[in-house]
Amino acid sequence: DTAVSQTPKYLVTQMGNDKSIKCEQNLGHDTMYWYKQDSKKFLKIMFSYNNKELIINETVPNRFSPKSPDKAHLNLHINSLELGDSAVYFCASSRGTSEYNEQFFGPGTRLTVL
Amino acid sequence: GESVGLHLPTLSVQEGDNSIINCAYSNSASDYFIWYKQESGKGPQFIIDIRSNMDKRQGQRVTVLLNKTVKHLSLQIAATQPGDSAVYFCAEKSRYRWGGSEKLVFGKGMKLTVNP
Repeated sequence: DTAVSQTPKYLVTQMGNDKSIKCEQNLGHDTMYWYKQDSKKFLKIMFSYNNKELIINETVPNRFSPKSPDKAHLNLHINSLELGDSAVYFCASSRGTSEYNEQFFGPGTRLTVL
Repeated sequence: GESVGLHLPTLSVQEGDNSIINCAYSNSASDYFIWYKQESGKGPQFIIDIRSNMDKRQGQRVTVLLNKTVKHLSLQIAATQPGDSAVYFCAEKSRYRWGGSEKLVFGKGMKLTVNP
């Protein structure tokens, strides 16, 4: 019954590796997001997709590449991982892009780069 | 630039007390604000929202106050319970760059600890 799910929940990897995080929502929403939360709990948007189309790309290094195979899925691939990529990554979804659509967040993926 | 911030990084209260969490925002054009609650190990969860044409909105045990003159937002939690212990974020809806899509700009977060 999980509305927004992410896998894996924890990811520990070495610098320089490439990794992917997956997100799925079963709410029938059109819009999905990736957020990064740093060690100080600061939460910042990275990307947003609406109907599989990228609509927000917030000055994120191009080592990060989101992919939306369909409206229910938004994956995040990270190349050449760096220490500073260590954070909790949250996926979210909303009905649409308009102002008053509530965003529903997934449980997060804690990425640790060693 | 945009910024949404909180006055208090931590707040510790006794069970049954009322809690007030404050937030300042800098974008005077913002017209929609949201409070989120994030429990340990979980994603943020919507609590309550308010549009700029209102100055107060009430939910179940929570009230949000908006003062546009001083660009200040607050969340009041009545009869705080241990289950209210979490990190609370204020957020504003901001238009992305060249118009069109909206995005959430989050404040820094404040940890609320409720002591039994």
